[in-house]
Amino acid sequence: EVQLVQSGGGLVQPGGSLRLSCAASGFTFNTYWMTWVRQAPGKGLEWVASVNPGGSEKYYVDSVKGRFTISRDNADNSLYLQMNSLRAEDTAVYYCARGISASHWGQGTLVTVSS
Amino acid sequence: DIQMTQSPSSLSASVGDRVTITCRASQGIRNDLGWYQQKPGKAPKRLIYAASSLQSGVPSRFSGSGSGTEFTLTISSLQPEDFATYYCLQYNSDPYTFGQGTKLEIK
Repeated sequence: EVQLVQSGGGLVQPGGSLRLSCAASGFTFNTYWMTWVRQAPGKGLEWVASVNPGGSEKYYVDSVKGRFTISRDNADNSLYLQMNSLRAEDTAVYYCARGISASHWGQGTLVTVSS
Repeated sequence: DIQMTQSPSSLSASVGDRVTITCRASQGIRNDLGWYQQKPGKAPKRLIYAASSLQSGVPSRFSGSGSGTEFTLTISSLQPEDFATYYCLQYNSDPYTFGQGTKLEIK
């Protein structure tokens, strides 16, 4: 069974940093693209970033370029999202998902950026 | 960037109704489109991939069609558990983009 278990959300001040983690199991992690998607309170889904199986290709939505970094550790079956220079508009539930077509999703983790 | 225009934004229907939701892409995306269902407080769930392929375990009353710029999700006979919000996602070229969502409510 495919499982994606997320951790690392919380409250952070504007300008601060946070690292989200996603532990994968039940599939061959190092053969799949992985993706982060977010959802601001009461809003729709927004694709944030994707990384290829080897970790060498990374794509980002414009609003997070230069601030967020997607990465993965294939030895540990883990996906990460390092978020720096956080803004109020980054407040959202963040989901990790398998593949660029998001076949399976993590449970989501809330990131709140507020002073 | 490819814009995905989803319609309607909300829809009221009854159990047993047939409903259709549409997504239009601002440029051709072949069949690189998925449909997702989200219930309040839950993670989304993929229903359809490659525009028309049914995700394993998803009831056959869900179907998808289309290619290029116009796509539809059809629910052939609404069940109580289908009342939710639905999104399309184009994954043809980055930045990948979701439609705005369709909230399906009980009439």
